Amino acid sequence: AQTVTQSQPEMSVQEAETVTLSCTYDTSESDYYLFWYKQPPSRQMILVIRQEAYKQQNATENRFSVNFQKAAKSFSLKISDSQLGDAAMYFCAYFYGGSQGNLIFGKGTKLSVKP
Amino acid sequence: DAGVIQSPRHEVTEMGQEVTLRCKPISGHDYLFWYRQTMMRGLELLIYFNNNVPIDDSGMPEDRFSAKMPNASFSNLKIQPSEPRDSAVYFCASTSGGGSNYGYTFGSGTRLTVV
Repeated sequence: AQTVTQSQPEMSVQEAETVTLSCTYDTSESDYYLFWYKQPPSRQMILVIRQEAYKQQNATENRFSVNFQKAAKSFSLKISDSQLGDAAMYFCAYFYGGSQGNLIFGKGTKLSVKP
Repeated sequence: DAGVIQSPRHEVTEMGQEVTLRCKPISGHDYLFWYRQTMMRGLELLIYFNNNVPIDDSGMPEDRFSAKMPNASFSNLKIQPSEPRDSAVYFCASTSGGGSNYGYTFGSGTRLTVV
C-alpha cells in the first residue's frame, strides 16, 4: 500500500528566511503525482505545488519549490523568503491514477513563521 | 466559479441526533470526494463518486455513515445516529478526470462537534 510520511510534526522559520519541509513516500508505481497542500487557520486546503513523477525537473511556483528525488522517494518543499502568511499546516500528498482517484495524505507539518 | 461550497461551516449536535453535511462541487467536475480530518488520524478518504455514482466507500467507518450524490451539483453526507467520536472536520473536494493533473479542489470544511 502507498504511504506518505512527514517526519517533522512542527517547524519554525524566521521571516524572510528559507525553510524546507520533508516528505517521503512508499510506492511500487513508476507513474504518479505528488502535491503539497497548505492549510492555514481558516481551514481551507490550498494546493501549493504539484510534481509529475515522470518529469525530472523540479516544480517551482514563485517562492515555493520542490526537491523531487524519485529513486529515494523523497519530495521536499522549500519556501524561500518566508512570510507571516506562510504559517500553516502543510500536507504532502501522493496520487496514483490507477487507484481511481485516491489522494493519500501525510500527517502534516505545522509551520510557524517568526517576525 | 465560487469553488467547492460546503454547509454548514460549523455544526454542534447532541449524541444520537442525525447530522447532514452538504456539498456543491465545482461545475464540470466529475469526481467528488468526502474526507474526514482528525488530529489522531489526519485526513482520511471516506467515499468518492464519479459521475454521481459511488465508486469506493471502503473508508466509511460504520453503517451510521451514508453519502449520496443525487445530481452533478450536490452531495450530502449523513451520520445517523451521531456519536462524540464523530467529531471532526469533514471536507468535500472535487476534481475532473481523476485528478491526475490538477489535484483536488477542497471546500472550507464543516467542523462537526457531537456532545
